[in-house]
Amino acid sequence: NAGVTQTPKFRVLKTGQSMTLLCAQDMNHEYMYWYRQDPGMGLRLIHYSVGEGTTAKGEVPDGYNVSRLKKQNFLLGLESAAPSQTSVYFCASSRDAYNEQFFGPGTRLTVL
Amino acid sequence: ELKVEQNPLFLSMQEGKNYTIYCNYSTTSDRLYWYRQDPGKSLESLFVLLSNGAVKQEGRLMASLDTKARLSTLHITAAVHDLSATYFCAVDMSGGFKTIFGAGTRLFVKA
Repeated sequence: NAGVTQTPKFRVLKTGQSMTLLCAQDMNHEYMYWYRQDPGMGLRLIHYSVGEGTTAKGEVPDGYNVSRLKKQNFLLGLESAAPSQTSVYFCASSRDAYNEQFFGPGTRLTVL
Repeated sequence: ELKVEQNPLFLSMQEGKNYTIYCNYSTTSDRLYWYRQDPGKSLESLFVLLSNGAVKQEGRLMASLDTKARLSTLHITAAVHDLSATYFCAVDMSGGFKTIFGAGTRLFVKA
């Protein structure tokens, strides 16, 4: 089992460019999440999904879009990157709302 | 709005000592999690606390939950260097699926 994987691991963008981060899990989990981690601020929830075809906004959704076309994949898109989106992005999944989340290795994104 | 506060944010302690990390949250919730993060790494689940009075122990770490006081504690017994990491508590909003994380407690255990 690979658990939760994220692609890419590192990326540098220029302001205004777009990109998609891919998250995949092989645990058949229903719930998937995207977080960003900034120094001194813990993790903040961007978007989440409680099942295939569903998505919902988290704490800091502005500037991001998501899609969950397949149960095992959760994509995070940045349509027009801004320097404020420089962060480490973590994807996570969980079996349901009453179990712990399993985290991917993270993607370090820098927007110049 | 659910807020989660951890205390202290930074902790430096000697090996062999005991200490407690506190996690307070602002609104009703009955699900609380503790995670560990090593520098440059991802998060690893330590404990899931699902009811008032829940207590869980793993090695030198013990976590408890008091939903009436909206407080969870992570107690460290006889600390060792390998426990050096950042510890996060996270709380689910009652009736919802959003998880709010505390800012983290950076623990450094000196040999």
